[in-house]
Amino acid sequence: DQQVKQNSPSLSVQEGRISILNCDYTNSMFDYFLWYKKYPAEGPTFLISISSIKDKNEDGRFTVFLNKSAKHLSLHIVPSQPGDSAVYFCAASGDNAGNMLTFGGGTRLMVKP
Amino acid sequence: EPEVTQTPSHQVTQMGQEVILRCVPISNHLYFYWYRQILGQKVEFLVSFYNNEISEKSEIFDDQFSVERPDGSNFTLKIRSTKLEDSAMYFCASCRDLNEKLFFGSGTQLSVL
Repeated sequence: DQQVKQNSPSLSVQEGRISILNCDYTNSMFDYFLWYKKYPAEGPTFLISISSIKDKNEDGRFTVFLNKSAKHLSLHIVPSQPGDSAVYFCAASGDNAGNMLTFGGGTRLMVKP
Repeated sequence: EPEVTQTPSHQVTQMGQEVILRCVPISNHLYFYWYRQILGQKVEFLVSFYNNEISEKSEIFDDQFSVERPDGSNFTLKIRSTKLEDSAMYFCASCRDLNEKLFFGSGTQLSVL
């Protein structure tokens, strides 16, 4: 089941630069998309979300872009900080499924000082 | 900030034994979830629970699994007869409303030997 895919298992970025994490989905019924961050030995922490009626949502250093025609979303972190180093999960839900989320496999982001 | 609390953090059991994983959701939350992540795989939805009954469940959540909210604070996941493939990190999550973000606990690492 590959309804949500994160094709890059890892990403390394220099502190202060932009981090771009990508996510693709196949299910047209998804209408709500989220990004979660996970540190070791902790549960996923909500970061930012976007509804399918929008194509961009911004919260401080974090911006999520949604391209519905391409079934693609991305998370931009700018400027990246060493504390951003974590695993980032893309997740989706749809058809009034509420918080029944389908997760991607995650991308490990390493921000180097 | 309020937290979802899970106990124990690690559980080791023999194949065929019953295990109960415990969670204390955030106190004013009404929707409760279990997710799991097998090592190296995606976070997967197991079950959602609202108003003292299961609202959604995945194919993984077969009749070996059950959930209960035995009192006003605890939310438990029981696996009746564990199998090797049940070894995973189990995350409890809760939210106040279906349109609000999920808060995850730190997880219980279940190892079935």
